[in-house]
Amino acid sequence: AQSVTQLGSHVSVSEGALVLLRCNYSSSVPPYLFWYVQYPNQGLQLLLKYTSAATLVKGINGFEAEFKKSETSFHLTKPSAHMSDAAEYFCAVSLSGSARQLTFGSGTQLTVLP
Amino acid sequence: DTGVSQDPRHKITKRGQNVTFRCDPISEHNRLYWYRQTLGQGPEFLTYFQNEAQLEKSRLLSDRFSAERPKGSFSTLEIQRTEQGDSAMYLCASSLAPGSGPTDTQYFGPGTRLTVL
Repeated sequence: AQSVTQLGSHVSVSEGALVLLRCNYSSSVPPYLFWYVQYPNQGLQLLLKYTSAATLVKGINGFEAEFKKSETSFHLTKPSAHMSDAAEYFCAVSLSGSARQLTFGSGTQLTVLP
Repeated sequence: DTGVSQDPRHKITKRGQNVTFRCDPISEHNRLYWYRQTLGQGPEFLTYFQNEAQLEKSRLLSDRFSAERPKGSFSTLEIQRTEQGDSAMYLCASSLAPGSGPTDTQYFGPGTRLTVL
């Protein structure tokens, strides 16, 4: 079985500051890891994914994440926050097997302060 | 627009009524997933199809829930005798099956928000 823990249900940063959203996973087999963003009343948009290639993954909108097996982490970062980054962010894991359904964390609401 | 579409976007119903939602996946995707998202939580897996076959169902999917994908294209999710606890956003996603292409990415639709009064 797999699980995801997102530390911090709410994170506030100032515009231009570093964004760091934390995600730790638990998986009995090598995982695939994903970050999705959700704007109010919308579906989920993929930011980036890790599928056992490079451990540093670059995504859209200037976001990146690093897979650290020893720490079982996949934290999301962005060097400089924009007002448009305000949204809810979800980390998700799927197993590198046949089913591949996603198990999501409970989400982190990012607020960007002017 | 060739993304995943869902209909309706919003549904308000009274307790005890039946509701049906539709999902149209990305056309070349042979896998289709249903998730449920309640307020303040991440989506939870309900069920998935590969082509027309329903391959897995979560224990969250009670007997009042049924999903179909009759021709391997669009899918429907029906909830019978709705309860207030069914109020949630129902999300559909599609992907290529392993071995069918280079991606394991699930692409999500905008969701159907269900409110049961």
